[in-house]
Parts: sequence; structure tokens; C-alpha cells
Amino acid sequence: AQKITQTQPGMFVQEKEAVTLDCTYDTSDPSYGLFWYKQPSSGEMIFLIYQGSYDQQNATEGRYSLNFQKARKSANLVISASQLGDSAMYFCAMRGTLTGKLIFGQGTTLQVKP
Amino acid sequence: DTEVTQTPKHLVMGMTNKKSLKCEQHMGHRAMYWYKQKAKKPPELMFVYSYEKLSINESVPSRFSPECPNSSLLNLHLHALQPEDSALYLCASSHTTGGGEISTDTQYFGPGTRLTVL
Repeated sequence: AQKITQTQPGMFVQEKEAVTLDCTYDTSDPSYGLFWYKQPSSGEMIFLIYQGSYDQQNATEGRYSLNFQKARKSANLVISASQLGDSAMYFCAMRGTLTGKLIFGQGTTLQVKP
Repeated sequence: DTEVTQTPKHLVMGMTNKKSLKCEQHMGHRAMYWYKQKAKKPPELMFVYSYEKLSINESVPSRFSPECPNSSLLNLHLHALQPEDSALYLCASSHTTGGGEISTDTQYFGPGTRLTVL
């Protein structure tokens, strides 16, 4: 079975500081991809960053980086220099070759304080 | 261009109404998806179309009827809905739904339709 766990229902961060959103996963799939999405209150699910299970280096996209630790089955999202516009719900998701379905965690609500 | 569009943005309907949600993408993707999302919950997969054919139906009630007229368009026809069907309906698209590349295939989402059933 595949499972994504996000243990932080809500988090606060001060503007301009860095924040780490936790994500752990469980899968028997030998090949899988890990994704992070941002969902503001408007509702749109915005793709942020992708990490493949065989990638040797951690993925980075601008202020977003993914701290991938395969042995610990974790794929934490790091947002550097937080901005007020980063306030949103963040979902970690996984997609494997066995089912092809995108499996989501329960999400973490991030609030950036001015 | 990673844009998926959805119309309408908001929809209020009675339980006896018939309405349709529309989704469009021009990224050349051959896989399209419908998700249902309740407040503060993750999206739940409803349907998957691959190359314009329905490939996955997650045991969705028949009052939801998907249609894929061509590779760029995806509709969700609604009939005799219940108040508990009120939710955000998200459309997504991606390159593929199968094969060895599936784990690298990113799904891109539209802005969603907020549906209220009275």
C-alpha cells in the first residue's frame, strides 16, 4: 500500500525566515515520484517541485527545495525567505508505477506572519 | 504554458438540476482527471481519462457522468446531486497515465469549480 503522512496540520513562520514542511511516505513501489503542491484559499492546486526516487540530488525550484532522504522515506519541503503570499495549504503527494495514482497527504496549513 | 482552465468558477444548483463542469487544456496532455475536494482535505480522485477513453472510475455515483469529447476537453455532467456533493471540483491533466514514465509525470491542476448543492 502507498501512504503519505504530513504530521503538521498547521504552522506559522515569520516573514523572510525559512520553514520546513514535513512529509514521510511508505510504498513498496521500486520507482516513484514525490510532488509538492500549494493550494491558496482561492483553491487552485499549484505544482511546486518534483523529486524522483532515483534522483541523486535534492530538487530545487527557486525558493523551494526538497530535502529527500530515501532511507528515512522522507521528502520535506523547505521554503526559504518566506513571503506573505506563501500562506496556503501545502500537500505532499506521491505517484508510483504500480497504480499510477497520485496519493496525497492530509496537508499542512502554513501562515506567514508579517 | 502549464494552464488548465475550468468553468464555471462557482456553481449553485438544486438537487433536481442538470449542470455541467468544463475543463480545457492545451498542453498536448493525453491524460485528464477529475478530483473532488472537501474543505481542508486532500483531493479525492474520481475519474481518469487516457487518450480520450475512461480508464479509471473510482466507484463514483452515477449522478456524476464524465465525458471527454476530445483530447483537450473534459466535462463532468451533474444530475440529481445531493447536498453532500458540495465541494471543490478540480480538473487536472498530465502527459500519460501508464508506462515506466508514470512516476515522473506531473499533474497540472485547474483553478477548480466550487459547487454548492441546495
